[in-house]
Amino acid sequence: DGGITQSPKYLFRKEGQNVTLSCEQNLNHDAMYWYRQDPGQGLRLIYYSQIVNDFQKGDIAEGYSVSREKKESFPLTVTSAQKNPTAFYLCASSVTGPNQPQHFGDGTRLSIL
Amino acid sequence: AQTVTQSQPEMSVQEAETVTLSCTYDTSENNYYLFWYKQPPSRQMILVIRQEAYKQQNATENRFSVNFQKAAKSFSLKISDSQLGDTAMYFCASFLRGNTPLVFGKGTRLSVIA
Repeated sequence: DGGITQSPKYLFRKEGQNVTLSCEQNLNHDAMYWYRQDPGQGLRLIYYSQIVNDFQKGDIAEGYSVSREKKESFPLTVTSAQKNPTAFYLCASSVTGPNQPQHFGDGTRLSIL
Repeated sequence: AQTVTQSQPEMSVQEAETVTLSCTYDTSENNYYLFWYKQPPSRQMILVIRQEAYKQQNATENRFSVNFQKAAKSFSLKISDSQLGDTAMYFCASFLRGNTPLVFGKGTRLSVIA
């Protein structure tokens, strides 16, 4: 079955450490997205990519980086510059176009040790 | 900035009753798309229903329907015959301008009580 796979499900980061969250999709979608979810804040867009080798900053990109070298993959790196990384991270993908719903992975919970 | 507002942080409803979740949005576009997503305790995001702004008819999916008021920029979700499995966070979302990503509201936590 097609879908979006996020790994790991839980991730712990030490102070000053970079960590990378994986997102892979086999839906043949061109567009991929990363959201951060905090209690009471809804989903906030970190980065998105509408085509391979291209990506744009979302509303809260500071302290994060991404790459889009393959259509299927859109990894998110949480750098040491992100001072409050504890959150639930959701990856999504969609067919390009404004009427296309986004399909989501099951998320990664990142915590600070 | 384009915004989506959900004014009810939490709601509760008795099983088998009907509940309406509110959503308003701000856009200067004439054509756009609106969605409701459900996030149960498993935290998986599930598409519940979608509405295209140029369609006058309100969308319906089984027990879920919307009341779309374009002039008022309002997009409420009605859940009929509420079931315990409807307990979840509900997010309103929209493509508000061009080809930009979805904009989400902050969510409404719905509890269905037996």
